[in-house]
Amino acid sequence: EVQLLESGGGLIQPGGSLRLSCVASGFTFSSSAMNWVRQAPGKGLEWVSNIIGSGGSTNYADSVKGRFTISRDNSKNTLYLQMDSLRAEDTAVYYCAKRYENTPRGRYFDYWGQGTLVTVSS
Amino acid sequence: QSALTQPASVSGSPGQSITISCTGTSSDIGGYNSVSWYQQPPGKAPKVMIFEVSNRPSGVPDRFSGSKSGNTASLTISGLQAEDEADYYCSSYSSSSTPFVFGAGTKVTVL
Repeated sequence: EVQLLESGGGLIQPGGSLRLSCVASGFTFSSSAMNWVRQAPGKGLEWVSNIIGSGGSTNYADSVKGRFTISRDNSKNTLYLQMDSLRAEDTAVYYCAKRYENTPRGRYFDYWGQGTLVTVSS
Repeated sequence: QSALTQPASVSGSPGQSITISCTGTSSDIGGYNSVSWYQQPPGKAPKVMIFEVSNRPSGVPDRFSGSKSGNTASLTISGLQAEDEADYYCSSYSSSSTPFVFGAGTKVTVL
């Protein structure tokens, strides 16, 4: 059974930093492209970042570029999101999501974690 | 502002059919057959219901179907059931600065 378990969320002041983790199980993590998707309270889904299986290529939404860093440790089956210079508008539930496969027919997310809430407030 | 446009809400009675539209551009929906739909019950994580425009993952009832015409994709729920009440999001691969874009979501209410 595929499982994605996020952790690391919490209350942080504006300008602060936080690192989210997502522990994966039930599939070959090192072969899977992984994503972070967030959802502000009462709002829709927003894609944040992705990383290929090897970790050699990453992408970011314009809203977080230069402030967030995605990484992975395939030996620990763990995905990370380092969030720096946090702003109030970064307040959201952050989901890690597995991309089905890194091919044109695999451009969707087949498994999602339960999410971790990040609240940026003074 | 979301990249894809969805109606805020759609409602129907049990047994009826409803359709949710999702409009994008030639850079996303119109340019790729990579449209997916996600169901999100209140307080829960999203779950994929349709991928590649019209394909259903194993376990998704065949009451759910998807289609696309030009820059607009659609999700149809036939034989609406109470358990279908949830928010539904469309998504597409995109050639813009972000590889994946979402709609703002549509709240489906079963009357």
